[in-house]
Amino acid sequence: AQTVTQSQPEMSVQEAETVTLSCTYDTSESDYYLFWYKQPPSRQMILVIRQEAYKQQNATENRFSVNFQKAAKSFSLKISDSQLGDAAMYFCAYRDVAGGTSYGKLTFGQGTILTVHP
Amino acid sequence: GAGVSQTPSNKVTEKGKYVELRCDPISGHTALYWYRQSLGQGPEFLIYFQGTGAADDSGLPNDRFFAVRPEGSVSTLKIQRTERGDSAVYLCASSIHGRGGTEAFFGQGTRLTVV
Repeated sequence: AQTVTQSQPEMSVQEAETVTLSCTYDTSESDYYLFWYKQPPSRQMILVIRQEAYKQQNATENRFSVNFQKAAKSFSLKISDSQLGDAAMYFCAYRDVAGGTSYGKLTFGQGTILTVHP
Repeated sequence: GAGVSQTPSNKVTEKGKYVELRCDPISGHTALYWYRQSLGQGPEFLIYFQGTGAADDSGLPNDRFFAVRPEGSVSTLKIQRTERGDSAVYLCASSIHGRGGTEAFFGQGTRLTVV
């Protein structure tokens, strides 16, 4: 079974600075997707960025970028120019694309609480 | 609607009672998922519907939990004989289909408290 581990329960950053959130995962599959979701106090999960495992190029979405190391099974999120609105719980998630009945299911890590200081 | 809608937003029930949690997915989304999120934890998969059928119910913890999606749109998660350990936020998500990297859109969840 796939597992996702986020080893940083909490992180903090000064406004306008850069912060990196860590995520490792375990899978025997060669093709899969990885995601970072943001969950503010409203509880609604919001997709931040996604990465396809067969793509070597790291995904980027404005101030958000990832460092995907497939061999190391590592998938970190970098937030540049941090803003107060970035404060939330961040979850790393994994999804199979191998087919069968398990595709579609997301496996989440434990989350990292990000605090942004003004 | 514009997004995934879950009702009620909060539900308090007594131990042993039956509860139903409703999810209205985004129109046209064939894939629908239920997750359970305990306090301070990541969401855990419960069940996945593709259309009307449950394609994967491997995450349902026991036979007190059941979910339906009779017309391929609205889904109801049903919990019988609730226990205090069932207290959690129940999240619903939908996507156009269940394959690949398609985005799953989440509702705001139902916070269930069993007293």
